[in-house]
Amino acid sequence: SAVISQKPSRDICQRGTSLTIQCQVDSQVTMMFWYRQQPGQSLTLIATANQGSEATYESGFVIDKFPISRPNLTFSTLTVSNMSPEDSSIYLCSVGEYWAQGGGYTFGSGTRLTVV
Amino acid sequence: KNEVEQSPQNLTAQEGEFITINCSYSVGISALHWLQQHPGGGIVSLFMLSSGKKKHGRLIATINIQEKHSSLHITASHPRDSAVYICAEYETSGSRLTFGEGTQLTVNP
Repeated sequence: SAVISQKPSRDICQRGTSLTIQCQVDSQVTMMFWYRQQPGQSLTLIATANQGSEATYESGFVIDKFPISRPNLTFSTLTVSNMSPEDSSIYLCSVGEYWAQGGGYTFGSGTRLTVV
Repeated sequence: KNEVEQSPQNLTAQEGEFITINCSYSVGISALHWLQQHPGGGIVSLFMLSSGKKKHGRLIATINIQEKHSSLHITASHPRDSAVYICAEYETSGSRLTFGEGTQLTVNP
């Protein structure tokens, strides 16, 4: 299965600033997913990032707040813009070559963001 | 709307005990995942199953498609098993995972 390097692992940021989270995969993958996990909550899908096209955002998430880049098949970034304390969460990237490789998803190690 | 419900929400056990975590889902699925999340936030995929039973070391996952229910069992639990265990269903029509809220397991020595 794929191996994902996600960074930073954690950060403390001032409100109003932006943070960019990076995920590097050790193999080419078609679809990458970005999730948010608010304290005590389940994972929520933010968007699906496909190479060569704009990301597809889920209801409640917008590109201005969470711009995503996917310059190639092994790399993606998620930016959390104009942060407020409500953005304090764990952010995770994931890849899923679901059917082609017999199933299964791989997750990054997560970015624990605290906004003060 | 797909819903995934886990029980219990929190579970504390003594080392060596047999652990069971349950997961129920509301619609027909293609596959169900069991995931493990450690305190740092990273998630590891434990099992993906669409029928029957899978075993890996001390972990066993079962699924009953008719009853829309899955269980994760841990035999001879150990403090290093302490983590959040999450079930997630994969529904092909939505091409996405829907996650349960997780079960916080604490195994005391």
